[in-house]
Amino acid sequence: GESVGLHLPTLSVQEGDNSIINCAYSNSASDYFIWYKQESGKGPQFIIDIRSNMDKRQGQRVTVLLNKTVKHLSLQIAATQPGDSAVYFCAENIRGYQKVTFGTGTKLQVIP
Amino acid sequence: DVKVTQSSRYLVKRTGEKVFLECVQDMDHENMFWYRQDPGLGLRLIYFSYDVKMKEKGDIPEGYSVSREKKERFSLILESASTNQTSMYLCASQQVDGNTGELFFGEGSRLTVL
Repeated sequence: GESVGLHLPTLSVQEGDNSIINCAYSNSASDYFIWYKQESGKGPQFIIDIRSNMDKRQGQRVTVLLNKTVKHLSLQIAATQPGDSAVYFCAENIRGYQKVTFGTGTKLQVIP
Repeated sequence: DVKVTQSSRYLVKRTGEKVFLECVQDMDHENMFWYRQDPGLGLRLIYFSYDVKMKEKGDIPEGYSVSREKKERFSLILESASTNQTSMYLCASQQVDGNTGELFFGEGSRLTVL
């Protein structure tokens, strides 16, 4: 069936380094993708989104890259900080449809 | 800021009990969702609602029902709780035709069924 999955369940990064979190999706009809951050004891929070007509989008210290050819999504965090420690989820959606499908999540651990 | 409030952060129930999980959002969003979150499985959609009294099954609706009598409130009901329903339950709301398709989540309700 259609699914969204992550390659790395846990990622440990030295403070100050860049982090890259990867996500594979299989629904070729998906045209909208979102990254969420979930801190311990909290609900997921929106980080950044990208539509399928783009291949890159930048925010504050974060960049999302979309490769539709290989159905791959990545989240890059520049100069990773201890406050970035969290679980990160990618999610896919078809615009105009309510259902949002989430990946299994990647835990990012920042080493001080 | 959008606020999604889940009435109970932690619940402990016994097998066979009826369980109500309440969720309220304050931004007049049309869409509301219930997910459950389990380690290694991510977030799985149980039910969603796109309008008052309207509901649609998600990926794992078995053993659950929902109610949306008012736009701001979306309730998840476990008619007869079972141990395999021990999980973290997350409610979310979403604005139709917003600038993004962002889901706004509550802080979750951790349910333990003994």
